[in-house]
Amino acid sequence: EVQLVESGGGLVQPGGSLRLSCAASGFTFDNYAMSWVRQAPGKGLEWVSGVTGSGSSTYYADSVKGRFTISRDNSKDTLYLLMNSLRAEDTAVYYCAKDRANYGDYFQYWGQGTLVTVSS
Amino acid sequence: EIVMTQSPATLSVSPGERATLSCRASQSVSSNLAWYQQKPGQAPRLLIYDASTRATAIPARFSGSGSGTEFTLTISSLQSEDFALYYCQQYNNWLRGLTFGGGTKVEIK
Repeated sequence: EVQLVESGGGLVQPGGSLRLSCAASGFTFDNYAMSWVRQAPGKGLEWVSGVTGSGSSTYYADSVKGRFTISRDNSKDTLYLLMNSLRAEDTAVYYCAKDRANYGDYFQYWGQGTLVTVSS
Repeated sequence: EIVMTQSPATLSVSPGERATLSCRASQSVSSNLAWYQQKPGQAPRLLIYDASTRATAIPARFSGSGSGTEFTLTISSLQSEDFALYYCQQYNNWLRGLTFGGGTKVEIK
């Protein structure tokens, strides 16, 4: 059974940093691209970033480019999102999601999400 | 960036009736289109991918159609558990970004 468990969310001040983690199980982790998708309170879904199975290629939404860094540790079956220079508009539930294959497309499985609140 | 527009924003339907949800892309995405269902407090659930293929364990009352820029999700006979938010998502080109529509809320009439 595929499981994705996010952690690392919390309250952070504007301009601060936070690192999210997503522990994966139930599939061969390094065979699949992974993504982060967020949802601001009461709003729709926004793809944030994606990474190939090897970690060699990364992709970002314009809204986070230059501030967020996606990475993965395939020895630990874990996906990360390092978020710097956080803004109030980054407040959202962040989901980690498994892609169909080793490239960005639709999301077969989702974690339960972790809430990031950016506020002073 | 490809902009996805869903309509209507809210759809009021009686149980047992048919629901038709629309999704339009600002440029062609071929058949690279997925649909998700989301209930309050839950993560989205994949319903349809490649515009018309049902995901594992999705009931046959859900069907998707379309290609290019116009797509439709049809729920043939609404059950109580189908009242939820629905999102479309294009995945035509990762380098240019993956984008979601704004969502359609299906509510009980």
